[in-house]
Amino acid sequence: NAGVTQTPKFRVLKTGQSMTLLCAQDMNHEYMYWYRQDPGMGLRLIHYSVGEGTTAKGEVPDGYNVSRLKKQNFLLGLESAAPSQTSVYFCASTTDRTTQPQHFGDGTRLSIL
Amino acid sequence: DAKTTQPPSMDCAEGRAANLPCNHSTISGNEYVYWYRQIHSQGPQYIIHGLKNNETNEMASLIITEDRKSSTLILPHATLRDTAVYYCIVRGINFGNEKLTFGTGTRLTIIP
Repeated sequence: NAGVTQTPKFRVLKTGQSMTLLCAQDMNHEYMYWYRQDPGMGLRLIHYSVGEGTTAKGEVPDGYNVSRLKKQNFLLGLESAAPSQTSVYFCASTTDRTTQPQHFGDGTRLSIL
Repeated sequence: DAKTTQPPSMDCAEGRAANLPCNHSTISGNEYVYWYRQIHSQGPQYIIHGLKNNETNEMASLIITEDRKSSTLILPHATLRDTAVYYCIVRGINFGNEKLTFGTGTRLTIIP
């Protein structure tokens, strides 16, 4: 998906380890989002940002932190990974939260052992 | 955001037009209809969106009924690469509700 890049694409962690997922967009979008997708549950919003320096909680924020120090980057952190956080993580961005679509990255597949 | 209803699955012959329906009978005047698709394990891909008028882009056409209570996504010449789960989403100006709600979607299978 052009414009939104997620790194890494795959990662395996041990319980209790920490890591940061990076989302970068080159479309000068104000709004950025982190979702997780689990089998049979659709996409659930973790955190989002409506602009540089601002973040807010979504529907499943516990266990995650985020930062938006630069407009083009949105970081998702796991301080102490748990097996329940095994999931596929998607980042998205948009220039307008209502009238324009969210553009998604290709995802990060994270396994917590 | 209004709720949407889609058939769980559809088949379409390769080369034919694929017509995917969506009901959104509770849609309000300022809510847009969006279509996304997700090919196995990849990120959701935006296809098209509209408010009132029919829309067309290089991927598809979107037909919205006059009362806006339903819409149809048309893939004019389906290929095997169009096999995916297609999601119809209604989204409006609803500050405080930032999530994009993907329902169960329609699993479209293109038959060779």
